[in-house]
Amino acid sequence: SQTIHQWPATLVQPVGSPLSLECTVEGTSNPNLYWYRQAAGRGLQLLFYSVGIGQISSEVPQNLSASRPQDRQFILSSKKLLLSDSGFYLCAWTQKTSPLHFGNGTRLTVT
Amino acid sequence: AQSVAQPEDQVNVAEGNPLTVKCTYSVSGNPYLFWYVQYPNRGLQFLLKYITGDNLVKGSYGFEAEFNKSQTSFHLKKPSALVSDSALYFCAVRDGGGANNLFFGTGTRLTVIP
Repeated sequence: SQTIHQWPATLVQPVGSPLSLECTVEGTSNPNLYWYRQAAGRGLQLLFYSVGIGQISSEVPQNLSASRPQDRQFILSSKKLLLSDSGFYLCAWTQKTSPLHFGNGTRLTVT
Repeated sequence: AQSVAQPEDQVNVAEGNPLTVKCTYSVSGNPYLFWYVQYPNRGLQFLLKYITGDNLVKGSYGFEAEFNKSQTSFHLKKPSALVSDSALYFCAVRDGGGANNLFFGTGTRLTVIP
């Protein structure tokens, strides 16, 4: 069966520090991969999605970037974090018409 | 462009009573609609989806949703609410492009009162 792993679960980083959040999927190949951000426990904002290795689409301009170095690995990065980058970051995958499957999220606090 | 609206930020219902969480949609073409639930500090869990077929869709944990094309609605329902149903519920619509992106509503917090 397919599983999705996200880490770390929580992260506290100072303003100006770099960021790297990792997401991996097991049990499937060539999934579509997504990064969402959820602010204040409410609506989800699609940040990036990828339909294949090295293919990244950005939905909103911001301080973050994403990479997909391997088929089932999706990384969210920043060179210098801002206070406004705080939030709950969710990785997800889907394939064809299957529902979106989410990881357990990373709560990022920028201090 | 695809979008969904959840008009209620908060829904309170007594345990054992029926519950409804509302969602309306706007799409060009056929709607692919979804409901997800989120418990505190967790990712979203899939409940049910409508792609085509019967207007009443049954999903996990006793939930169901009714697709109404004339009212462009996809309300989530359950005949008898449990305290454990208290969570944040999201309606979503899938775009028709190759990326299969989901666009989510703003969420409705359901509180079931014992």
